[in-house]
Amino acid sequence: AQSVTQLDSQVPVFEEAPVELRCNYSSSVSVYLFWYVQYPNQGLQLLLKYLSGSTLVESINGFEAEFNKSQTSFHLRKPSVHISDTAEYFCAVNSGTYKYIFGTGTRLKVLA
Amino acid sequence: EAGVTQFPSHSVIEKGQTVTLRCDPISGHDNLYWYRRVMGKEIKFLLHFVKESKQDESGMPNNRFLAERTGGTYSTLKVQPAELEDSGVYFCASSSFSGGAADTQYFGPGTRLTVL
Repeated sequence: AQSVTQLDSQVPVFEEAPVELRCNYSSSVSVYLFWYVQYPNQGLQLLLKYLSGSTLVESINGFEAEFNKSQTSFHLRKPSVHISDTAEYFCAVNSGTYKYIFGTGTRLKVLA
Repeated sequence: EAGVTQFPSHSVIEKGQTVTLRCDPISGHDNLYWYRRVMGKEIKFLLHFVKESKQDESGMPNNRFLAERTGGTYSTLKVQPAELEDSGVYFCASSSFSGGAADTQYFGPGTRLTVL
């Protein structure tokens, strides 16, 4: 069975500081990996995804994630965060079907 | 293009009552999914429609939950009778293509259900 672990339920960080949101997964088969973000009072939005190819994937707003197969990780990073990045971030996997397996989410709080 | 919409945004009901949640997917999306997040836990898959057909309802908790998608457009999720453990946020998502892993699922804002 697949599972996703997001160890940090909350991450406070000062504006313009770097941040890393951790995601580890467990699966006996190849997986696709996703990061979704939920801003207050909005739906989940796809931030980035890894399907194949380059293990480093980027989003349009400066986030990046690297697929590390040996460590079964897909950590999300941003070198300099903004107040507007305050949101809840969800890591998810699937193994070639439509059924996402989500982590428990990480609340990123960017402080002025 | 309008996104996935869900109604109501919040619902507070008493144990034993019935509640119906509605989801309008993005126009033209054949695939519709329901997920649920119990407070502090992960978002869990409930079921998947392709047009009006249920493809997979393996995540439905029990037979108090009934999902429909008449005409292959909007979907409803009815909980009858509601129990305390049904409280949570119910998300709906839709996707346009094959419903496979590479499809992006577009999520609605969710319905927060509180059962007292």
